[in-house]
Amino acid sequence: GENVEQHPSTLSVQEGDSAVIKCTYSDSASNYFPWYKQELGKRPQLIIDIRSNVGEKKDQRIAVTLNKTAKHFSLHITETQPEDSAVYFCAASYRDDKIIFGKGTRLHILP
Amino acid sequence: DTGVSQDPRHKITKRGQNVTFRCDPISEHNRLYWYRQTLGQGPEFLTYFQNEAQLEKSRLLSDRFSAERPKGSFSTLEIQRTEQGDSAMYLCASSFGDSYEQYFGPGTRLTVT
Repeated sequence: GENVEQHPSTLSVQEGDSAVIKCTYSDSASNYFPWYKQELGKRPQLIIDIRSNVGEKKDQRIAVTLNKTAKHFSLHITETQPEDSAVYFCAASYRDDKIIFGKGTRLHILP
Repeated sequence: DTGVSQDPRHKITKRGQNVTFRCDPISEHNRLYWYRQTLGQGPEFLTYFQNEAQLEKSRLLSDRFSAERPKGSFSTLEIQRTEQGDSAMYLCASSFGDSYEQYFGPGTRLTVT
């Protein structure tokens, strides 16, 4: 069945440095790749997404890249700030269907 | 509040009891999804509706689980004869038309004692 692998499970970076989270997916039919941020006790919030017809997308300090051939996609956060500390989930979906989530990366921004 | 809402936010029940959760999607969102999230894991898909039609059910959804969306607006998720393994956060999400973007509610945290 569909599967999304996410690495690392925990990531600590110094404030101001960059953070990179990597994911792979198994279903080659997947064409939509959202990233969600979840703070403790809160709902997952969509922070950025990319569709399979695009290789890269950027929104201020956040960027996502997609390599369809390798079935890899990544989240890049630059100039990290304390409020970036949270759990980040990558996910894959086919059309408007269910979303398959990775297991999450707990990001710690160190002062 | 125009976001997805869920009720109740917390539910504690004894093993063997039935529970029902409600989700109100964003107005005019025709697709509604249920997910389950356990501690330290990502949300896992349970089922989804397009308008009132239930289009897919996960293998995770045993016969004890049933979901409805009778008028294509709010949805309910019922768990019968709850087990301790049902303890989790139950999340609802909704999306509109051809948009792939799913917006999540705050969840209902179920604890089965």
